[in-house]
Amino acid sequence: GENVEQHPSTLSVQEGDSAVIKCTYSDSASNYFPWYKQELGKGPQLIIDIRSNVGEKKDQRIAVTLNKTAKHFSLHITETQPEDSAVYFCAATLSGGSYIPTFGRGTSLIVHP
Amino acid sequence: GAVVSQHPSRVICKSGTSVKIECRSLDFQATTMFWYRQFPKQSLMLMATSNEGSKATYEQGVEKDKFLINHASLTLSTLTVTSAHPEDSSFYICSASGTGAFYGEQYFGPGTRLTVT
Repeated sequence: GENVEQHPSTLSVQEGDSAVIKCTYSDSASNYFPWYKQELGKGPQLIIDIRSNVGEKKDQRIAVTLNKTAKHFSLHITETQPEDSAVYFCAATLSGGSYIPTFGRGTSLIVHP
Repeated sequence: GAVVSQHPSRVICKSGTSVKIECRSLDFQATTMFWYRQFPKQSLMLMATSNEGSKATYEQGVEKDKFLINHASLTLSTLTVTSAHPEDSSFYICSASGTGAFYGEQYFGPGTRLTVT
C-alpha cells in the first residue's frame, strides 16, 4: 500500500517568512495529492491540492509542487501570518473510486508574530 | 457547499457505557462516509468506510462489534462506541464524499472529542 512521509514534524517561523513542508510517497500509481490544515480541536480542511498532470499550483500565498519522478511534493506558504499556525497534513491517493487518502504524520507550523 | 457536521462536538461518558456520534452532510448527498480516529499530535487513522445502505468496511485491527457504524441515509452516518473504556478516549472525525461535483474528494467534519472516565 501507499506510504507517505512528511517533514518536518514541527516548523517554527517568524511572521512574514516562508514555510516549506515536504512529503514523499511510495506508490507511483497515486495521482492526487491534497493538503489539509487542521486547527486545534477542529477537523481537517482542504487548502490546496494537485494532480499528477501538473507540476505546480498556486492559490494566493499557498503553492504546491509535485515531482512525480522523485515521488515527492511540497507545500509552500509565503508571507506567513499568525493565523497560519496549525497542523498541516499531506496526503496521497488514487483519485476516483472510493478515494481513501494515505496521510502524512503532520507538521505543526508555528508562526511567531 | 460541502459542509459536514458532527454531533456532539464533545462528550464525556463513564466507562462501560455506549456513546453515539452523528455525522451529517448538510448540503450534498454523501454516498460514502468515512470515520477516522486521531490521537493527540498524531495523524488521522481510518477506522472504517461506509456506503449508504451497505455494511461498513472496517480497517484491519478495528473491532466492528465495538465501533458500530450505520449509514442509513445519504446524509447521515452514526458511529456508536459500545462499552467504552478510557483507551477509547480520542478525537473522532468523519468525512463524506458524494457524486457529481462532490465526487473524488473527502469533506471533513469538525470532529468529536470523546473522553471516557
